[in-house]
Amino acid sequence: DAKTTQPPSMDCAEGRAANLPCNHSTISGNEYVYWYRQIHSQGPQYIIHGLKNNETNEMASLIITEDRKSSTLILPHATLRDTAVYYCIVRAPNFGNEKLTFGTGTRLTIIP
Amino acid sequence: DAGVIQSPRHEVTEMGQEVTLRCKPISGHNSLFWYRQTMMRGLELLIYFNNNVPIDDSGMPEDRFSAKMPNASFSTLKIQPSEPRDSAVYFCASSQGWTDTQYFGPGTRLTVL
Repeated sequence: DAKTTQPPSMDCAEGRAANLPCNHSTISGNEYVYWYRQIHSQGPQYIIHGLKNNETNEMASLIITEDRKSSTLILPHATLRDTAVYYCIVRAPNFGNEKLTFGTGTRLTIIP
Repeated sequence: DAGVIQSPRHEVTEMGQEVTLRCKPISGHNSLFWYRQTMMRGLELLIYFNNNVPIDDSGMPEDRFSAKMPNASFSTLKIQPSEPRDSAVYFCASSQGWTDTQYFGPGTRLTVL
């Protein structure tokens, strides 16, 4: 049973901000929201994660709604190299939750 | 930091042959995970280790698959005998603790003819 819902695909113009949404309406209080991406033929790449506060790192920003039922990953200035499948994952740091369950993700295409 | 290192990057073998995939985790990471990715099934966790000890191997498809971690810097995934349905990309990931952020290697693309 899927814990997250993402649009199957999105386009974004190069240089613009890419905003990728994720719904996780059944998220539990101790579950974090993780974002990974997979560029064609490469291993999944960790991007960012958060619990309830907004987070920012050198790659992206993560905005989590106050009720934590949805979040948005923001790539501030998208480049062609950001074309990839982006996965939103919810996971609690408990024994038994070690595996990452990747859904179908959002295929983001950056348009020149 | 070199990241997670996997070898070989590509492996082509014939049905019935033994295949060994290798992984070097990020230095200082105590947990190591083996995943398999196919178009049909997506990314599946096969087994993971914590402090070199296998914790959960419930994802290992059958007895033809075995994994070892003889020390903190090396792990192997062995398939004997290999079958065409084992064709997939095999990823190794490591993390500091078993619930921490996992970092993936580049993968080994296995083709069994």
